Amino acid sequence: DAGITQSPRYKITETGRQVTLMCHQTWSHSYMFWYRQDLGHGLRLIYYSAAADITDKGEVPDGYVVSRSKTENFPLTLESATRSQTSVYFCASSGRASGGLGNEQFFGPGTRLTVL
Amino acid sequence: AQSVSQHNHHVILSEAASLELGCNYSYGGTVNLFWYVQYPGQHLQLLLKYFSGDPLVKGIKGFEAEFIKSKFSFNLRKPSVQWSDTAEYFCAVNAPYQTGANNLFFGTGTRLTVIP
Repeated sequence: DAGITQSPRYKITETGRQVTLMCHQTWSHSYMFWYRQDLGHGLRLIYYSAAADITDKGEVPDGYVVSRSKTENFPLTLESATRSQTSVYFCASSGRASGGLGNEQFFGPGTRLTVL
Repeated sequence: AQSVSQHNHHVILSEAASLELGCNYSYGGTVNLFWYVQYPGQHLQLLLKYFSGDPLVKGIKGFEAEFIKSKFSFNLRKPSVQWSDTAEYFCAVNAPYQTGANNLFFGTGTRLTVIP
């Protein structure tokens, strides 16, 4: 049972290039999330998805694009990478919440992205 | 703006010392509260969570946290730390009726260094 995986684990790219980070989960969780982790900011939500074909912006969505054609996959694309997007990116998933209760999020191992 | 605050950025303790990490949030109404830990080079893992009931929550590895509603706080404690507790600790809050049932908002994290 792989759980939640991310690829690549490390990526170096140049300013202006398009980069796609992959996230795959095997639990059939409804919700998936993308965060970036930066010193002094903790984790900040970029985008999330409540189900296939349903996505919504988080706190810091500018410069990012997501899609969710299949429940198990939630790729994050940087259309034209900038140095400020150098960060560690974490994908997470959680089951459908019920009765207003928040559910635990399960995190992937992260992708360290460097934009030169 | 709504927020999650962790006032201790870096805590250094000797083994066997007691630990208390502060977490305050500004969301009113119903909240679900989490503490996550990130060991060096690893992804986030759930330490404990509070949804309802007993405000004193016990988690894994001897950690506990107390929800004090009147103080908007959810402080993490451990009576005796070990070198293996060296990690970064994140408080997270879900306010289901305000921000969505599955969205988490993270504090900036507290780095704990335990000296053998």
